[in-house]
Amino acid sequence: SAVISQKPSRDICQRGTSLTIQCQVDSQVTMMFWYRQQPGQSLTLIATANQGSEATYESGFVIDKFPISRPNLTFSTLTVSNMSPEDSSIYLCSVQRDRATDTQYFGPGTRLTVL
Amino acid sequence: AQKVTQAQTEISVVEKEDVTLDCVYETRDTTYYLFWYKQPPSGELVFLIRRNSFDEQNEISGRYSWNFQKSTSSFNFTITASQVVDSAVYFCALSAFSSGSARQLTFGSGTQLTVLP
Repeated sequence: SAVISQKPSRDICQRGTSLTIQCQVDSQVTMMFWYRQQPGQSLTLIATANQGSEATYESGFVIDKFPISRPNLTFSTLTVSNMSPEDSSIYLCSVQRDRATDTQYFGPGTRLTVL
Repeated sequence: AQKVTQAQTEISVVEKEDVTLDCVYETRDTTYYLFWYKQPPSGELVFLIRRNSFDEQNEISGRYSWNFQKSTSSFNFTITASQVVDSAVYFCALSAFSSGSARQLTFGSGTQLTVLP
């Protein structure tokens, strides 16, 4: 498995502001992922973040709204920009240690409420 | 394209009852992985099990057991003698080689399990 931490664990933000979520892993991993989980819903992949390359975004998500950084093999950030109440969700990062098995291990999540 | 269906939105049982969570998947790939995750009220997703498409043996881990049947494209999860601490949302997920280079997970909609004392 992997020890993954996220900061902040929760936040309440005002409409129009931005929040940067940090994801730290206890060892080097190639693949990191960012998910959004809207209230009562399943997980939706926002983007895949590989170190040294641009993040790959899924349909419906754009870099201007969700810029991602991946400066090294143990760290990534996701920014939620120009927030609206519809952005209120849990944001989770995950890592894939072993590409042969596809298993993803998840961080504790960041609960975001936008007023 | 991949799809995972968890038809049971919510299940409520009384402690010590057995409960089965259903998962049906769709994929055109012959090689794929199936997963179960648990999400307690704290929000963190906890990995429970991974099963590859070539291994149809059922697996048991303590009170948990999983039944994988390729013939019906199902990967069901049974909790025996349920406990209040089992109350959580359970997600079934699939990854297949045609998902792309990242082989991303496709999640079902989740089943909210409530175990009453």
